[in-house]
Amino acid sequence: GDSVTQMEGPVTLSEEAFLTINCTYTATGYPSLFWYVQYPGEGLQLLLKATKADDKGSNKGFEATYRKETTSFHLEKGSVQVSDSAVYFCALINAGNNRKLIWGLGTSLAVNP
Amino acid sequence: DAGVIQSPRHEVTEMGQEVTLRCKPISGHNSLFWYRQTMMRGLELLIYFNNNVPIDDSGMPEDRFSAKMPNASFSTLKIQPSEPRDSAVYFCASTAGDNRAYEQYFGPGTRLTVT
Repeated sequence: GDSVTQMEGPVTLSEEAFLTINCTYTATGYPSLFWYVQYPGEGLQLLLKATKADDKGSNKGFEATYRKETTSFHLEKGSVQVSDSAVYFCALINAGNNRKLIWGLGTSLAVNP
Repeated sequence: DAGVIQSPRHEVTEMGQEVTLRCKPISGHNSLFWYRQTMMRGLELLIYFNNNVPIDDSGMPEDRFSAKMPNASFSTLKIQPSEPRDSAVYFCASTAGDNRAYEQYFGPGTRLTVT
């Protein structure tokens, strides 16, 4: 079945450092890919998305490019802030899964001042 | 809109007691999802509804768990009897129509502790 694999955390960075969180997927067909973010004590919220190969999703300084050849959707940010400290989830949805998102396990990010 | 509303935010109960978690989805959304989140297992989909009808309950751990959606604006997740291993944060999420089914709006969660 479809699956998502994320790099294990926690990831700890200093403010203004460059961030990469790796995400790879296994899926049949042409899934859509997403990054969700969970701030402490809150529910998840959509951060960015890409619905076809070579699309780049972006939001709040974060970017991710849908790479079908490497089945990857890595999350990047050029300069992280303390307020980016959160758990980041990679996910996919495929036509065959109806409305179910397939989730990665999440990667915790801590940014120190 | 107020977003997805869940109640209670925190619940502490003793093993064997019945627990009912409540969710009010965003008005106009036609799909509703119940998730459980733990450190050990991450985020697990328990069940989801489309137009108030349960579509997939394969994630419900066992018969002690049940979920209902009597109308478009309300859903419950019930655990009876509760056990310590049910301790987790339970999230409800809702989505709009087909072309935006991926954008799930999550509630703040209910933190359940079973002692």
